[in-house]
Amino acid sequence: LAKTTQPISMDSYEGQEVNITCSHNNIATNDYITWYQQFPSQGPRFIIQGYKTKVTNEVASLFIPADRKSSTLSLPRVSLSDTAVYYCLVGETNFGNEKLTFGTGTRLTIIP
Amino acid sequence: GAVVSQHPSRVICKSGTSVKIECRSLDFQATTMFWYRQFPKQSLMLMATSNEGSKATYEQGVEKDKFLINHASLTLSTLTVTSAHPEDSSFYICSARWGNEQYFGPGTRLTVT
Repeated sequence: LAKTTQPISMDSYEGQEVNITCSHNNIATNDYITWYQQFPSQGPRFIIQGYKTKVTNEVASLFIPADRKSSTLSLPRVSLSDTAVYYCLVGETNFGNEKLTFGTGTRLTIIP
Repeated sequence: GAVVSQHPSRVICKSGTSVKIECRSLDFQATTMFWYRQFPKQSLMLMATSNEGSKATYEQGVEKDKFLINHASLTLSTLTVTSAHPEDSSFYICSARWGNEQYFGPGTRLTVT
């Protein structure tokens, strides 16, 4: 599984757009990029997944450049409830049973 | 989306006793579930892969005789921490795959006194 590198922590004010970048230089051809959110004392929650270019859903956007060696999770207009740890994971996605390897994650703190 | 539950959410036990944690997929069947452990301020660490009807696969450094895993049905996996010690105090989280996504349970906070 490709190793990922993220900033340990980030702060942002309410209402701002937050971008968290993840480096995955050794990403393989079949690997997808997935982001999870975790609140204290809760299990991780799936946010978004992508393979290339841009993916958008109701909560976030994921930007992936052509070389796929990095990705950026974009959270529009954050609120206090977005304070959490965000994990970037890279691995082959199929209908089998894939083990997930979590990196250090980025602890995002939203300031009122 | 798919829902995974865990029981109990919190448990306190005395050193030397055993504790069982249940992980259930509520609205889907999961032939494989995963067990993670998370210490305070740290990331999730995969402990083992639970396979329905067969033995679990443990990650390196995880004692299979201490962390017993049973996956007796397509919707239930159990993790038993045997002869628990204070250093086993942690947050235990299970997950199950449905489609291309992996769904996580809410976690179980184990405190060993």
